[in-house]
Amino acid sequence: DTEVTQTPKHLVMGMTNKKSLKCEQHMGHRAMYWYKQKAKKPPELMFVYSYEKLSINESVPSRFSPECPNSSLLNLHLHALQPEDSALYLCASSHAPGLAGGDTQYFGPGTRLTVL
Amino acid sequence: GQNIDQPTEMTATEGAIVQINCTYQTSGFNGLFWYQQHAGEAPTFLSYNVLDGLEEKGRFSSFLSRSKGYSYLLLKELQMKDSASYLCAVSEVSGGSYIPTFGRGTSLIVHP
Repeated sequence: DTEVTQTPKHLVMGMTNKKSLKCEQHMGHRAMYWYKQKAKKPPELMFVYSYEKLSINESVPSRFSPECPNSSLLNLHLHALQPEDSALYLCASSHAPGLAGGDTQYFGPGTRLTVL
Repeated sequence: GQNIDQPTEMTATEGAIVQINCTYQTSGFNGLFWYQQHAGEAPTFLSYNVLDGLEEKGRFSSFLSRSKGYSYLLLKELQMKDSASYLCAVSEVSGGSYIPTFGRGTSLIVHP
């Protein structure tokens, strides 16, 4: 199984809503990532979890709250978002950070988020 | 940190060969990746280089020169389905963690 799954595929939410994005992989990968991607732009790294611990937070606003319940699951909790947060949110996983050839990332299909 | 540069857009003809260049500046280099991304879809892995030289995979090849901070992706026998964005991503190890950074991507348009 070389698949990273993400739910939901599409999400529309108001600025006062609380919602969560979910990501799952069963490849035994120990690093998981959240990226934000705007149209015609490259993916921007938001968070990195390494062995279920948050290792990188790229100065992301606190209205985005990541959670890694176990080595297969990664959540992104959303609260009080702004319209400019509308984007494609990509989850990725890799075997382990820092290993040559070991950090090839496998991406999920993404969640298309629209904030009204 | 990295400074990754690649052309914004390229066009080519079906059946031809195209080379997409990527230059970067980084410390703690841990490899360079190329990904393909079709519009509205997730990036998919194409190639990985950590040592100097050419890696060939079917119609796609990737080259790396670490001393020059330079890589290219070579696509042969272009097909219409190769129209996509091609992302150069540099992996940098910092403080024991892996920090991947993507270039802005090169939009390749293949026409008949």
